[in-house]
Amino acid sequence: EVQLLESGGGLVQPGGSLTVSCTGSGFIFNNYGMSWVRQAPGKGLEWVSGVSANGNWTHYADSVKGRFTVSRDNSKNMVYLQMNGLRADDTAVYYCAKDGPYLWYFDYWGRGTLVHVSS
Amino acid sequence: QLVLTQSPSASASLGASVKLTCTLSSAHTYDAIAWHQHQPERGPRYLMKLNSDGSHIKGGGIPDRFSGSSSGAERYLTISDLQSEDEADYYCQSWDTGPQVIFGGGTKLTVL
Repeated sequence: EVQLLESGGGLVQPGGSLTVSCTGSGFIFNNYGMSWVRQAPGKGLEWVSGVSANGNWTHYADSVKGRFTVSRDNSKNMVYLQMNGLRADDTAVYYCAKDGPYLWYFDYWGRGTLVHVSS
Repeated sequence: QLVLTQSPSASASLGASVKLTCTLSSAHTYDAIAWHQHQPERGPRYLMKLNSDGSHIKGGGIPDRFSGSSSGAERYLTISDLQSEDEADYYCQSWDTGPQVIFGGGTKLTVL
């Protein structure tokens, strides 16, 4: 059974940093690209960042480019999102999502981890 | 630039059918999309990948009550025999050059 489990969310002050993690199991982790998608309170889903299966390619939404860094460790079946320069509008539940057989179409999601940016 | 447009809300009675629509912006009318269901306090759930010709690939365990179809720039998700657990937000999703992953604004489905 495919499972994605996010961790590392919490309360952080504006301008601060936080790294959230996602552990994948039940599939060949290094065969699939992974993405982070967030949902701010009362809003819809917003794609944040993606990383290729081998980690060589990373992509970002304009709203986080230059502040967030995605990476993965295939030896640990983990993907990370390092978030710097956090702002109040980064407050959201952050979900990890797995590419399916077709690139950039997600076929599994995690349950999410809440990041709250507030002083 | 790809834009996916969804109606903010829809409603239908228990046991009835409902058809949700996702409209692709011009120049993207042949693109495929994915439909995802998002229930409160849960992670989203992949329902299907839907191609421009109406063919679709459903996720594991998705009931036959969920089906997809296409017409021009529109992609549809039809849910038959509505159940209370179908009450959720439904998002269409695709990608654009960059790449950038794009979501529609979501449709909140209420089961009456």
